[in-house]
Amino acid sequence: EVVLRQSPDTLSLSPGQKATLSCRASQSVSSNYLVWYQQKPGQAPRLLIYGASSRATGVSDRFSGSGSETDFTLTIARLEPEDSAVYFCQQFGYSVWTFGQGTKVEIK
Amino acid sequence: QVHLQESGPGLVKPSETLSLTCVVSTASVDSGHNWGWIRQAPGGGLEWMGNIHNSGTANYSPSLRSRVTMSLNASKNQVTLRLTSVTASDTAIYYCATLHYDILTGYCPYWGQGTLVTVSS
Repeated sequence: EVVLRQSPDTLSLSPGQKATLSCRASQSVSSNYLVWYQQKPGQAPRLLIYGASSRATGVSDRFSGSGSETDFTLTIARLEPEDSAVYFCQQFGYSVWTFGQGTKVEIK
Repeated sequence: QVHLQESGPGLVKPSETLSLTCVVSTASVDSGHNWGWIRQAPGGGLEWMGNIHNSGTANYSPSLRSRVTMSLNASKNQVTLRLTSVTASDTAIYYCATLHYDILTGYCPYWGQGTLVTVSS
């Protein structure tokens, strides 16, 4: 089973700053099958990025994804209060599909 | 846009069977889309439980394979989840989601709001 480790656990930043979230895989994962979701309290996860770098429909261009093999990054530019949420990565590259444990982004 | 709505008992006793239904709107469960079930323990992370193709073929997480069954009810346009022999560790919010998966990519574009299931006597 591929383990996804996200870091940091919590990120506390001010509006306008840039957030950099990491997702590291225990084995190489095809970037085609690396996904990022945003989850706000009391809501279901929302698809942000698929294929490691493709934005889902309606997602702000302040969100961008990158990476390959075992290291993937979600970057949120010019943070806004509405970006306060937990962000999860997920891999579909192996038979057992797994999620990272999440990174909580707090806006000061 | 696909709309999904989960429903279930809310409270299940230990050792009993949990049954959940996901009602799908604006899409047919038996064509064009595939379906996944994901759960989230209170305050915890996400766990992929399994997925079912629109043909009815299902794949389950190895950790749940002995207890889980997913199926489609085309007449009611529903996706169902059945989990047997539940314990307190099965207490979670259960989500159904559409699943896009092919040789190019995979992701879950649409999710239901989730339904909380508590396992307690």
